[in-house]
This record gives sequence, structure tokens and C-alpha cells, in this order.
Amino acid sequence: GDSVTQMEGPVTLSEEAFLTINCTYTATGYPSLFWYVQYPGEGLQLLLKATKADDKGSNKGFEATYRKETTSFHLEKGSVQVSDSAVYFCALRGDSSYKLIFGSGTRLLVRP
Amino acid sequence: GAGVSQSPRYKVAKRGQDVALRCDPISGHVSLFWYQQALGQGPEFLTYFQNEAQLDKSGLPSDRFFAERPEGSVSTLKIQRTQQEDSAVYLCASVSGPTQYFGPGTRLTVL
Repeated sequence: GDSVTQMEGPVTLSEEAFLTINCTYTATGYPSLFWYVQYPGEGLQLLLKATKADDKGSNKGFEATYRKETTSFHLEKGSVQVSDSAVYFCALRGDSSYKLIFGSGTRLLVRP
Repeated sequence: GAGVSQSPRYKVAKRGQDVALRCDPISGHVSLFWYQQALGQGPEFLTYFQNEAQLDKSGLPSDRFFAERPEGSVSTLKIQRTQQEDSAVYLCASVSGPTQYFGPGTRLTVL
């Protein structure tokens, strides 16, 4: 079945460092891919999405490119801030499905 | 406009008690999902509604779990005879296009 694998955390960075959180997936066809963020004490928020191969999703300085050849959707940000500290979830929705399949989440801690 | 709301935000139940968790989706959203998020894990699908019809309940872990959406808007997830393994955050999401919008969740703790 469909699945998502993302790097284990926690990831600890200093402010203004470059961020990469790896995400790879297994799915048939052409799934849609998502990154959600969960700030402390809050619900999941959609960060960005890509619905077809080679699409780049971007929001709030974060980017991720849908790479079908490597079945990956890695999250990147050029300069993280303390306020980016949160748990990040990679997810997919199969092209013949409606439910989201989530990875286990990666906690990011950004220190001043 | 208002987002997805859930109530209560926190619920503590004694083992064996019944609980009911409420979800108010974004107005006009036809599709609604429930997910269960165990501590340190990603959310896992429980069930899916389109309007009042429950189209998929394959993720419900046992027959103690029951969900309804009688008028195609508000939904309730009911857990009967709660067990400690039911402790988790229960998330509701309503859908627009390819995007699911999540509520803040209800954290259920079963003692």
C-alpha cells in the first residue's frame, strides 16, 4: 500500500541555518503530495502542496519539489527562524484515493 | 471565515466510559474526515463522509468506534467502553478541492 517515510527528528538548527527535511513515498500512479506543520498546542496546518511531477510548492519561505524519478518531496528553507520550531508532516493522497497518508513527523527546533 | 472547530479540546475518561467528540467543519464543505494521532506519530485515517453518507469506515479500529454526520454538517465520533489504547488526539478535517483543512483536535486521555 501507499506509504510515506520521513527523516526522524529532532532536527536542531541555529537561526538562519539551511533546512532540509527528507521525505520519500511509495505509491502507484500520480499521488498529490503535501507538507503540513503542527505548531505547539495547535492543529495541523497545510504548509504547501504539489499535485503533479516537477511541481514546486512554496509558502512562507519553504519549498518542496515533487520528484517522481526519486519518489521524493523534500522540504527546504534557506534561513530558518525560531518561530519555525514545530513538527512537520509529509503526506500523500493517492490519485484514486481521498484519504491522506502521513509520515511519522519530524520535529524541528531552531535555537536563537 | 471560521475554520474547522472541535470540542472538547481535552477529554479525560475513565476506562470503560463512553465519549463523544464533536467536529464542526467549514461551512459548505461536503467531505469530512476523522483521523487518530497517537503520541509521536502521524495521523491515521479513521473514516470519511460525503455529506451525510459514511463512504469509508475502514480505519475504525474496532466496533467500539462509531461516527455519524446526520445532516451533512456537524459530525460526532463516539467511542464506547473506552480503553487505554484509545488515548490519542482525534483530528477532524473538512475538504476543499485537494486540500484537507484540519481542526485543532481533541486530546483524549483514558485512565
